Amino acid sequence: QAVLTQEPSLTVSPGGTVTLTCGSNTGAVTSGHYPYWFQQKPGQAPRTLIYDTTFKHSWTPARFSGSLIGDKAALTLSGAQPEDEADYYCMFVYGGLVVFGGGTKLTVL
Amino acid sequence: EVQVVESGGGLVQPGGSLRLSCAVSGTSATTYWVDWVRQAPGKGLVWVSRIHSDGRFAKYADSVKGRFTISRDNAKNPVYLQMDSLRAEDTAVYYCSILPPGDWGQGTLVTVSS
Repeated sequence: QAVLTQEPSLTVSPGGTVTLTCGSNTGAVTSGHYPYWFQQKPGQAPRTLIYDTTFKHSWTPARFSGSLIGDKAALTLSGAQPEDEADYYCMFVYGGLVVFGGGTKLTVL
Repeated sequence: EVQVVESGGGLVQPGGSLRLSCAVSGTSATTYWVDWVRQAPGKGLVWVSRIHSDGRFAKYADSVKGRFTISRDNAKNPVYLQMDSLRAEDTAVYYCSILPPGDWGQGTLVTVSS
């Protein structure tokens, strides 16, 4: 089964830009893995930010964007806000099966 | 507005069974997947199972295969997750989600303990 690797923790300054990545031990990530990105704050359910690599949910702030960078999926936050401090998870689909990354704890400081 | 509501969680003894329900309303999508995802206390998200919106094509994580069964009669009915032979390590908040685009419920807590 695939293992997805995310940065365990990242720190960004308010107003700054940060890129979270998600790689796979099976090789290059492609749009065929339908990459998703989720945000989760303490005590809350996850919330989808990005689906199918680049598509935004209706509630996704414009400052979030999804892409493929090199052989990884990426979530870029441009103009970080204090309310963006949260855990972020990536998710891929492999032949109908779903795998989550271990999550990145993002601190806005 | 899409609504996803889970129910059926609770306290169960090891080896026992529980059935979770996921009711979906308000979606205009004609095809989608309904996924169950769990999160143990203080841990990350872990995928459990999924079923296509038409009730076919069920998939399972290796950790629950043979113990959990996902089902749906038709697109208008809830999705059920029948959980048998429960273990302490199944203790978690169980979330239901609709993918794509990714609408989530608030979760239901399952505690397996004697």
